[in-house]
Amino acid sequence: DAGITQSPRHKVTETGTPVTLRCHQTENHRYMYWYRQDPGHGLRLIHYSYGVKDTDKGEVSDGYSVSRSKTEDFLLTLESATSSQTSVYFCATSSGSEDTQYFGPGTRLTVL
Amino acid sequence: AQKITQTQPGMFVQEKEAVTLDCTYDTSDPSYGLFWYKQPSSGEMIFLIYQGSYDQQNATEGRYSLNFQKARKSANLVISASQLGDSAMYFCAMREGNTGGFKTIFGAGTRLFVKA
Repeated sequence: DAGITQSPRHKVTETGTPVTLRCHQTENHRYMYWYRQDPGHGLRLIHYSYGVKDTDKGEVSDGYSVSRSKTEDFLLTLESATSSQTSVYFCATSSGSEDTQYFGPGTRLTVL
Repeated sequence: AQKITQTQPGMFVQEKEAVTLDCTYDTSDPSYGLFWYKQPSSGEMIFLIYQGSYDQQNATEGRYSLNFQKARKSANLVISASQLGDSAMYFCAMREGNTGGFKTIFGAGTRLFVKA
C-alpha cells in the first residue's frame, strides 16, 4: 500500500458552501490524483498533480480546484458545492507517470 | 468515445470455479498499460494486476491472470478457484502512453457474486 489517507472520510454539506478534501501520502510519490466515483461511471479523473505546485485538469474538472504545496498533500476544493458533486472521492498516487496508481480509502461527500 | 468497455454489469460464479470478467479497450497509442482493480463492499480500491502493451506474456498474480489479446483489444481478468471473498466490484482501467500522458481511464465495472 502507498500509505494514503483521506480526510474527512464522510461529509455532509449544504449547497453553496465551500468544501476542501485532503489527501495525505507517506510514500514520497511524485504523482497524485483526484477521482470521483458515481454509479455507472466507474472512476473519473478530476485533477492530477505531477509535482509540487504542478497540477492539471482531468476529465471532469469543472467546479473543482486543487493545490499541492507539499509532496505529501494534495487538496481538492469545491468552491461552491452543488448537489451534482455528491459523490465518493478517491485520491490516488503513483511513483512514476507509468506506474500503478494506489488509492486512498475514499471520502463520501453529500451535498444537500 | 468510450475507451474502456466492461459489458457485464453483474456476474455470478460458484465457489471454487473459475470466472472471466471481460474488458475491451480502444486506443491508437502503441504504448499503454492495462490494470484491474477490485472494490469490495467496504469501498477501497485494491490493485490486482497490470499488463503492459509490450509485454509478451499474460500477467499473473496468484489466482488472478490477465488474458491479453492485443489484436482484439481485450484484457479479460480470469479469477481461478473463486472464493466468497472475491465478491466485489471489479474495474478495468487503461493508461495511455505517449498521447495520454499518465491519465488512467476506468470502465464502469462488473459486480461479481460468488455463491457458496
